[in-house]
Amino acid sequence: AQSVTQLDSQVPVFEEAPVELRCNYSSSVSVYLFWYVQYPNQGLQLLLKYLSGSTLVKGINGFEAEFNKSQTSFHLRKPSVHISDTAEYFCAVRALQGAQKLVFGQGTRLTINP
Amino acid sequence: GAVVSQHPSWVICKSGTSVKIECRSLDFQATTMFWYRQFPKQSLMLMATSNEGSKATYEQGVEKDKFLINHASLTLSTLTVTSAHPEDSSFYICSARDGGLVNEQFFGPGTRLTVL
Repeated sequence: AQSVTQLDSQVPVFEEAPVELRCNYSSSVSVYLFWYVQYPNQGLQLLLKYLSGSTLVKGINGFEAEFNKSQTSFHLRKPSVHISDTAEYFCAVRALQGAQKLVFGQGTRLTINP
Repeated sequence: GAVVSQHPSWVICKSGTSVKIECRSLDFQATTMFWYRQFPKQSLMLMATSNEGSKATYEQGVEKDKFLINHASLTLSTLTVTSAHPEDSSFYICSARDGGLVNEQFFGPGTRLTVL
């Protein structure tokens, strides 16, 4: 089984500042890793994903994430945030084999202040 | 990218009635669809997984007789909340998996259910 821990439930940041949203996972098998964004009263939109290859993954809206296998982490970063980045962010993993269900973290609410 | 739609986007019903929510994959064939439930300020909880033409697989603790899932075609899955009660009020999100090489899940915009 897999589990995902998002270490911060809320992250307030000033506009144009950098941000890092932390995600750690636990799994006995190899996994794919994902970050999703959810705007109020909407579904989830994929920001980026790690399937294989380069551990630094670039996504939409200027976000990137780095897969660190030894630390079982997949932290999300953006060098300069905008007001429009205010949303809920979910980290998720899925096993390469077996049930292949997405397992989500608890979510991190990113609030951008002017 | 692939698009998943849900209908209705919101619904209010009286306690004891049944509500049907539709989930459609608009431009791809979804071999597998998922239904999630999300409470305010919480993460998504997987309710069930359905493959086209077969019975849904429910997660532990989810009442299959209460939450009826039908996946009759490769582009449509429905979730029916039977005899709804106020505690069923929630945000329901469907997701569809493209069975192609990328094997990615696409999420619908969600349906807000309020049971009075």
